Amino acid sequence: DVKVTQSSRYLVKRTGEKVFLECVQDMDHENMFWYRQDPGLGLRLIYFSYDVKMKEKGDIPEGYSVSREKKERFSLILESASTNQTSMYLCASSGEGRGYEQYFGPGTRLTVT
Amino acid sequence: AQSVTQLGSHVSVSEGALVLLRCNYSSSVPPYLFWYVQYPNQGLQLLLKYTTGATLVKGINGFEAEFKKSETSFHLTKPSAHMSDAAEYFCAVSGLSGYSTLTFGKGTMLLVSP
Repeated sequence: DVKVTQSSRYLVKRTGEKVFLECVQDMDHENMFWYRQDPGLGLRLIYFSYDVKMKEKGDIPEGYSVSREKKERFSLILESASTNQTSMYLCASSGEGRGYEQYFGPGTRLTVT
Repeated sequence: AQSVTQLGSHVSVSEGALVLLRCNYSSSVPPYLFWYVQYPNQGLQLLLKYTTGATLVKGINGFEAEFKKSETSFHLTKPSAHMSDAAEYFCAVSGLSGYSTLTFGKGTMLLVSP
């Protein structure tokens, strides 16, 4: 079974803090994704990566950055957390090409106070 | 650009009744379509997908969906709802690039009453 794990299920941070969310997959997938999920808005893509050290902006990249130094690991970074970044963050991984499904981690619920 | 519209943010059914969750998509290329389910406090799990071939696709937990190109629809159905089906359901369409990006609908919460 594909396994996508996220470093924390719940996280509480203060405004202005630097926040790291980590995601690891064990299926040697080329593609990895970070989404945020908010009620009534569905899933919105923040960034994705199609190879080590390669990244592409998604629909809402502002206020976020990412890092992929190893194929299995994809990190989301909030340089200076703000209250409007309070959300559920979901990581996913997928094989290469259209038509491949994405496999999701359990999510990290981040609260910024 | 790709887009997905899910009609109804909430759908309520009685246990044993037919489940119908609606999904319409917009795509400038032949689409690949997906349905995912999310149980409370969990990530998303794939229910089924359509890529090519048979337009009626069967998935897990007794769900199925039919791709109708003329109607640009991919509605999800289940003949008889079970209490354990209560969850949020997301329809998604593949992106235009060679990457496996997806565009998701806003989701439909399925409520099942005894």
